[in-house]
Amino acid sequence: QVQLQESGPGLVKPSETLSLTCAVSGYSISSGYYWGWIRQPPGKGLEWIGSIYHSGSTYYNPSLKSRVTISVDTSKNQFSLKLSSVTAADTAVYYCARHVAAAGTLNWFDPWGQGTLVTVSS
Amino acid sequence: QSVLTQPPSASGTPGQRVTISCSGSSSNIGSNTVNWYQQLPGTAPKLLIYSNNQRPSGVPDRFSGSKSGTSASLAISGLQSEDEADYYCAAWDDSLNGEVVFGGGTKLTVL
Repeated sequence: QVQLQESGPGLVKPSETLSLTCAVSGYSISSGYYWGWIRQPPGKGLEWIGSIYHSGSTYYNPSLKSRVTISVDTSKNQFSLKLSSVTAADTAVYYCARHVAAAGTLNWFDPWGQGTLVTVSS
Repeated sequence: QSVLTQPPSASGTPGQRVTISCSGSSSNIGSNTVNWYQQLPGTAPKLLIYSNNQRPSGVPDRFSGSKSGTSASLAISGLQSEDEADYYCAAWDDSLNGEVVFGGGTKLTVL
């Protein structure tokens, strides 16, 4: 079955760029679907960051768009997140997930990775 | 402030039926389908209901979803202790270039 695994630094300094990678196994990204990033600050709710198609087409959360870049590497079957100029407010568990398109829109996330905690602190 | 509004908490006793509401607007729930996620303590969210009322394989039929106008509901019947979790609704929002919006989450306690 499809499995996703996030990886990247657990600690990032303020004003620097957060970089995470999501490795996909059990399914070839090139075969289709969108692939997304979602985050969850400690003790808070979920926030969608953005999603990418294997062709490179992207959708971003308007509130984060100016700082976010999502890219895909089909040769490695993985996709990545870069979030620039981070502050303490970007401290969160970051999840990657397959993002299913249906009924004319990007729709549900399934499955999800286990998540990785990124702390922004000097 | 989440775009979709959920009650912060809900509770029930084993065997009871509980419902969790999710209120939105014409640009999200009113024009697109709703999905629900269950997040057990310390774990990643898991898809529970998709396309308003569809259950993924493996999700018990005790869980059901519905949508009417700009609101949606998740119902859990025959409540079990293992249902204690956070539940989130989500939908696509057609405003601007479009985005996924989530509810703030409802913490379900099984008494």
